[in-house]
Amino acid sequence: EAGVTQFPSHSVIEKGQTVTLRCDPISGHDNLYWYRRVMGKEIKFLLHFVKESKQDESGMPNNRFLAERTGGTYSTLKVQPAELEDSGVYFCASSQKLAGVTDTQYFGPGTRLTVL
Amino acid sequence: AQSVAQPEDQVNVAEGNPLTVKCTYSVSGNPYLFWYVQYPNRGLQFLLKYITGDNLVKGSYGFEAEFNKSQTSFHLKKPSALVSDSALYFCAVRDKNYGQNFVFGPGTRLSVLP
Repeated sequence: EAGVTQFPSHSVIEKGQTVTLRCDPISGHDNLYWYRRVMGKEIKFLLHFVKESKQDESGMPNNRFLAERTGGTYSTLKVQPAELEDSGVYFCASSQKLAGVTDTQYFGPGTRLTVL
Repeated sequence: AQSVAQPEDQVNVAEGNPLTVKCTYSVSGNPYLFWYVQYPNRGLQFLLKYITGDNLVKGSYGFEAEFNKSQTSFHLKKPSALVSDSALYFCAVRDKNYGQNFVFGPGTRLSVLP
């Protein structure tokens, strides 16, 4: 069974440009999460999808970030326009349908974003 | 609010010696505690979790962790360290009062020296 995959693995863009990150969860996992680790600090929660619906987006830093999960399969996270402080590693995770607070989340390898 | 502390940025241990990576937490309700490991150029891999029951939890690769409610700790341990255990370790907590997302600690880099 394939794990969580993320694309691209690295992205280098200039301030003001747009970047779109993609996450493919484990097949059959209804729950999809986005996290990011900025400048070697804590990994911070961004948002949580249940199928195509946003369950919790309390961690989204501002309206320059837009996440979608059309059809309830893969998800994209768009940053537009990118700022220097957006640099970091963006992780995606997924968990099974009956997810609750006890469920294990399985993480992808992350996308390292560098904004110059 | 929830929080997780990992008081050591770096832990060095000789191969074959026991290792401990420390974690303390703060939640308002019952904690659900997890350890993840990140090897170089890889994603976070699940090691083990404490939900309820026995305070000593056994996980992958010979790791275990002990839940201590009075000290609000969940330290990760292994009896005999391997060089291949060298990685970045993250402690994380969830509290059902705050939804399903994790609160992570800052991470501890473990170096096992041959």
